[in-house]
Amino acid sequence: DTEVTQTPKHLVMGMTNKKSLKCEQHMGHRAMYWYKQKAKKPPELMFVYSYEKLSINESVPSRFSPECPNSSLLNLHLHALQPEDSALYLCASSQTTSLETQYFGPGTRLLVL
Amino acid sequence: KQEVTQIPAALSVPEGENLVLNCSFTDSAIYNLQWFRQDPGKGLTSLLLIQSSQREQTSGRLNASLDKSSGRSTLYIAASQPGDSATYLCAVRLETDSWGKFQFGAGTQVVVTP
Repeated sequence: DTEVTQTPKHLVMGMTNKKSLKCEQHMGHRAMYWYKQKAKKPPELMFVYSYEKLSINESVPSRFSPECPNSSLLNLHLHALQPEDSALYLCASSQTTSLETQYFGPGTRLLVL
Repeated sequence: KQEVTQIPAALSVPEGENLVLNCSFTDSAIYNLQWFRQDPGKGLTSLLLIQSSQREQTSGRLNASLDKSSGRSTLYIAASQPGDSATYLCAVRLETDSWGKFQFGAGTQVVVTP
């Protein structure tokens, strides 16, 4: 099973809402990633978790709060977002943060009104 | 800073033609290079991963070459089909990276017409 799942597929939220994105993998991978992708642009790395510890935060605003409750699950908590945060949010995983292929989920399409 | 460029930005070919997609990078000290496919509004699907010590990788109709010294990779797709229509992205990792940080190109949008 080389699948990364993400829920929800679509999310519409107001600027005062609090919501969460969820990502799950059952491949035994110990590295998980959040990316943000705007239309017609490449993905931009936001966070890297390695062995459930936050390893990289690419200067992401604090209104995005990642969480890794266990080795299979990665959440992204959203609060007080801005319309410019509307994007496709992609989760990925790999065996470790070393040389291996990253497997991507289908993404959550987020619209902030 | 590593810069990754993909040319052309868009490509339209009739079915059956071979596709040639180019990726160039400015820092040749790379760990590996990966080619991905992305369908509209969807996630990325890994196509081929080339380690820095390799010259090429093949999978079915796909062949990717890597010339590290000149900072180039080429993805060849033989006998294109309408189902090959998608955006193709290349991504590189530097030798100094320990955290799985890819630097992506902007992608080549491919349309294969029946």
